[in-house]
Amino acid sequence: DAGVIQSPRHEVTEMGQEVTLRCKPISGHDYLFWYRQTMMRGLELLIYFNNNVPIDDSGMPEDRFSAKMPNASFSTLKIQPSEPRDSAVYFCASSTRQGEEQYFGPGTRLTVT
Amino acid sequence: ILNVEQSPQSLHVQEGDSTNFTCSFPSSNFYALHWYRWETAKSPEALFVMTLNGDEKKKGRISATLNTKEGYSYLYIKGSQPEDSATYLCAFITSGSRLTFGEGTQLTVNP
Repeated sequence: DAGVIQSPRHEVTEMGQEVTLRCKPISGHDYLFWYRQTMMRGLELLIYFNNNVPIDDSGMPEDRFSAKMPNASFSTLKIQPSEPRDSAVYFCASSTRQGEEQYFGPGTRLTVT
Repeated sequence: ILNVEQSPQSLHVQEGDSTNFTCSFPSSNFYALHWYRWETAKSPEALFVMTLNGDEKKKGRISATLNTKEGYSYLYIKGSQPEDSATYLCAFITSGSRLTFGEGTQLTVNP
């Protein structure tokens, strides 16, 4: 298996633009997680899905952020409109069962100017 | 808000030294504790998933112990090598699958 796949790897955009980050989990994994890494807050969970259903979105910072998982092999994290403080590395991860180890993708480095 | 604390924040050791660091977490509502290794410019990789009080796990020169009653876990590295240089993260789960990460211990092993 190729592991968790994320695209794009780097994104530079201007403030106010819409940004869409994409993730393909490992086949057969029922859980998908979106994380954000910043210097100030470290690695923080934004949202996670189980069997394509959002379970806990309490980490989503505000209404500008939304996430979807239309099927078992694809998820998106959208920021609209983007702001400079959204600049961070966004990781997607997946796991087989509740509480099991998570496999992280390579991350998307987002820069909002 | 769950508080997961790791110490020390950073550590410099010489090649061949053995070292250890600590993860502290709330002892109530424990479900599991994860350890991850995170190399610079890469993604976190799981080392251990620990669920039972008294658990001890080992992978090569790296081992970990778990005390859920007092809320701590130790990670040990025996005979550190330069390739062990990384940030070691612990993460705590109360229920469901929501991981709360500590800030990590940054280990540098000097040749």
